[in-house]
Amino acid sequence: SQTIHQWPATLVQPVGSPLSLECTVEGTSNPNLYWYRQAAGRGLQLLFYSVGIGQISSEVPQNLSASRPQDRQFILSSKKLLLSDSGFYLCAWEPEAFFGQGTRLTVV
Amino acid sequence: QKEVEQNSGPLSVPEGAIASLNCTYSDRVSQSFFWYRQYSGKSPELIMSIYSNGDKEDGRFTAQLNKASQYVSLLIRDSQPSDSATYLCAVTGGANNLFFGTGTRLTVIP
Repeated sequence: SQTIHQWPATLVQPVGSPLSLECTVEGTSNPNLYWYRQAAGRGLQLLFYSVGIGQISSEVPQNLSASRPQDRQFILSSKKLLLSDSGFYLCAWEPEAFFGQGTRLTVV
Repeated sequence: QKEVEQNSGPLSVPEGAIASLNCTYSDRVSQSFFWYRQYSGKSPELIMSIYSNGDKEDGRFTAQLNKASQYVSLLIRDSQPSDSATYLCAVTGGANNLFFGTGTRLTVIP
């Protein structure tokens, strides 16, 4: 069966520090992968999606970037975090957006 | 810009009643529609999908789709306290994307 792993579950980072969140998928090949952010009390915002290795599409301009170095690995990064980057980050794969457990990021 | 609108609630219903959750969307090209349940602090989980006009039933859940009116709804029969959660509506856009509403918070009162 297909599973999706995200880590870490919780992260507290100072403003200006770098960020790296990793997502891996098992049990499927060539998945479409997505990064979403959910700010407190708000809806899911699509940040990036990828249809294959090295193929990244960005939905909104922001302080974040994404990479897909392997078929089943999707990484979300930032060089310098902002307070506004705080939120619940979710990795998902289609067909109907099965989500990982998420990473709750607090920037202090 | 794809828009998915939901009443943020909170919606409160007594245990055993029918909860009705509504969603409208702006993109007439959307072909697939989904409902997710999200418990506080957890990631969303898919509970229903619907692709054609009409009703689709799965246990206590019924999804209803009206593409002409750009409207999709979720009915929860015999609501239970464990159904208390935020319900997210999502629709497909172009390029394999899903667009989510902000969610409706449902509280089932014992």
